[in-house]
Amino acid sequence: GAVVSQHPSRVICKSGTSVKIECRSLDFQATTMFWYRQFPKKSLMLMATSNEGSKATYEQGVEKDKFLINHASLTLSTLTVTSAHPEDSSFYICSARGRGNEQFFGPGTRLTVL
Amino acid sequence: QKEVEQNSGPLSVPEGAIASLNCTYSDRGSQSFFWYRQYSGKSPELIMSIYSNGDKEDGRFTAQLNKASQYVSLLIRDSQPSDSATYLCAVQIGGGADGLTFGKGTHLIIQP
Repeated sequence: GAVVSQHPSRVICKSGTSVKIECRSLDFQATTMFWYRQFPKKSLMLMATSNEGSKATYEQGVEKDKFLINHASLTLSTLTVTSAHPEDSSFYICSARGRGNEQFFGPGTRLTVL
Repeated sequence: QKEVEQNSGPLSVPEGAIASLNCTYSDRGSQSFFWYRQYSGKSPELIMSIYSNGDKEDGRFTAQLNKASQYVSLLIRDSQPSDSATYLCAVQIGGGADGLTFGKGTHLIIQP
């Protein structure tokens, strides 16, 4: 149990384009999902908390107009990186809160912006 | 400011020995503590969670929590080469609706 999927696993795009990443909880319902970002040789940094049916809560320094989050159902949250630039290249990982306080992570999406 | 500190390593341990990983955190209000394992290029995998002071054992893994000292540790018994990875300590300040604050991780190498 507690399987989280992400799609796509890898994206290469041109600067200025938008990229949408999907995060799904496959065998459980997740009222809360989280989006993290990890730069090379750095740790995971929380970007935002995604709550089903309400607006996401963004961490300080994360632009909400650039990183659009939608949590339309109990099993799906999406992150859209709008007008991506090379500095947005990173490993984006979502997690879903299980029955307790534990968070289970998706396999991640590696974004490269040329 | 929430901070989670770990020794980045690498920590080299011979196969079959006990690996000891340590973590300290700055926010006394932290309530939940987690250890994740991350292989290179992959996402974190949950190993253990611990919420109260003392020890918690799960197979070859033992998590230890001391809230007074703001210290969390993970012991891996009978270390195997497959345990070689980066181990991330994560702290949650409030309840389940809160995101995790991660340390930078300790790179563990198990020598055959």
